[in-house]
Amino acid sequence: DTAVSQTPKYLVTQMGNDKSIKCEQNLGHDTMYWYKQDSKKFLKIMFSYNNKELIINETVPNRFSPKSPDKAHLNLHINSLELGDSAVYFCASSQVGADTEAFFGQGTRLTVV
Amino acid sequence: AQTVTQSQPEMSVQEAETVTLSCTYDTSESDYYLFWYKQPPSRQMILVIRQEAYKQQNATENRFSVNFQKAAKSFSLKISDSQLGDAAMYFCAYNDDKIIFGKGTRLHILP
Repeated sequence: DTAVSQTPKYLVTQMGNDKSIKCEQNLGHDTMYWYKQDSKKFLKIMFSYNNKELIINETVPNRFSPKSPDKAHLNLHINSLELGDSAVYFCASSQVGADTEAFFGQGTRLTVV
Repeated sequence: AQTVTQSQPEMSVQEAETVTLSCTYDTSESDYYLFWYKQPPSRQMILVIRQEAYKQQNATENRFSVNFQKAAKSFSLKISDSQLGDAAMYFCAYNDDKIIFGKGTRLHILP
């Protein structure tokens, strides 16, 4: 009965490949996020969607493209993977309003070789 | 732009002792929320405690409590009676329309 689930949990791929990470939440939340956690554990917001609409797009290369088919799903597609893309990617969701915390998926460890 | 600063990259505390993790933030907003998240080695992000900026009373959750100083923009986390299971990365976070995290403090518990 996972609240926020992302797949896959681990992803190892070669430079130049294209890959996707899927995220689904069953909490009925209207806002979903993608965060990147680098090797130093710094969590940086990448994107935020509210009801399928892109709200926040931080300084992220164009190779990263989020897709929200409905408000329960937010997938992350990455083109032409680079070594520096290796990180843990977290999907999260929350309800609108600053009083609600974000609920996180278990993270996807992406390793680009 | 809002920023969150955790000045202690690592801390250690003896089991059963008390430890305080520091966090400061910068915002021009008057209404916002602050959170502490815990990330154990399992990688899962777990909410520890939250604080509403318009409430003067400090939040408490069992062994976890905060010292919220709005004027100073400070939001520290106190862990009492530290347990081995408290060993983790701790992230301070600020939320008005997006959740921004500090760089984290790695907490070690010494048996």
